[in-house]
Amino acid sequence: DTGVSQNPRHKITKRGQNVTFRCDPISEHNRLYWYRQTLGQGPEFLTYFQNEAQLEKSRLLSDRFSAERPKGSFSTLEIQRTEQGDSAMYLCASSPRDKAFFGQGTRLTVV
Amino acid sequence: GEDVEQSLFLSVREGDSSVINCTYTDSSSTYLYWYKQEPGAGLQLLTYIFSNMDMKQDQRLTVLLNKKDKHLSLRIADTQTGDSAIYFCAERLGSGGSYIPTFGRGTSLIVHP
Repeated sequence: DTGVSQNPRHKITKRGQNVTFRCDPISEHNRLYWYRQTLGQGPEFLTYFQNEAQLEKSRLLSDRFSAERPKGSFSTLEIQRTEQGDSAMYLCASSPRDKAFFGQGTRLTVV
Repeated sequence: GEDVEQSLFLSVREGDSSVINCTYTDSSSTYLYWYKQEPGAGLQLLTYIFSNMDMKQDQRLTVLLNKKDKHLSLRIADTQTGDSAIYFCAERLGSGGSYIPTFGRGTSLIVHP
């Protein structure tokens, strides 16, 4: 499978714990996006990388969120001190230029 | 997605055509997309249109773009029960602007026999 891969698919964590998600984009896609989706809503933009450079961050991305894309390949999204409001589907997408392809997402449940 | 608006629900009978509508606000949008999402899954890119086009057809799918009214539609011919899903419209600016796709809230398509 050469699509966008996200791990884990599901994560249940206790409030206050840290979690990290991984995204492996389609090979040679230089653009990578993270989105968050809650029930009944469309994907909301979190952050965007072009190669290894993080070019934009949404105001939704509080100080507890950090994302990296070392070497311009895979990316990680870390949430520190999780809160119940962080429960959502976290989606990663990659793009060569004009079309963005999404992974299956990581569903986070904070209990 | 306050910049992209869609009606929330559409119900059609199997075999009929479905038309899902979307309005966007940014006249600088260069790419407009339609994605499909099934329960618990990620988004699948169905089709997209460049802003210098007004129509694109791909098998059962027809996209119409009215740039003057900033209106995009997706027509699905011969709708099947497998087409039941949430359909998202998204816009993206081209070079010189943000490359970030902005999504609407999605239209839930229900296909009944």
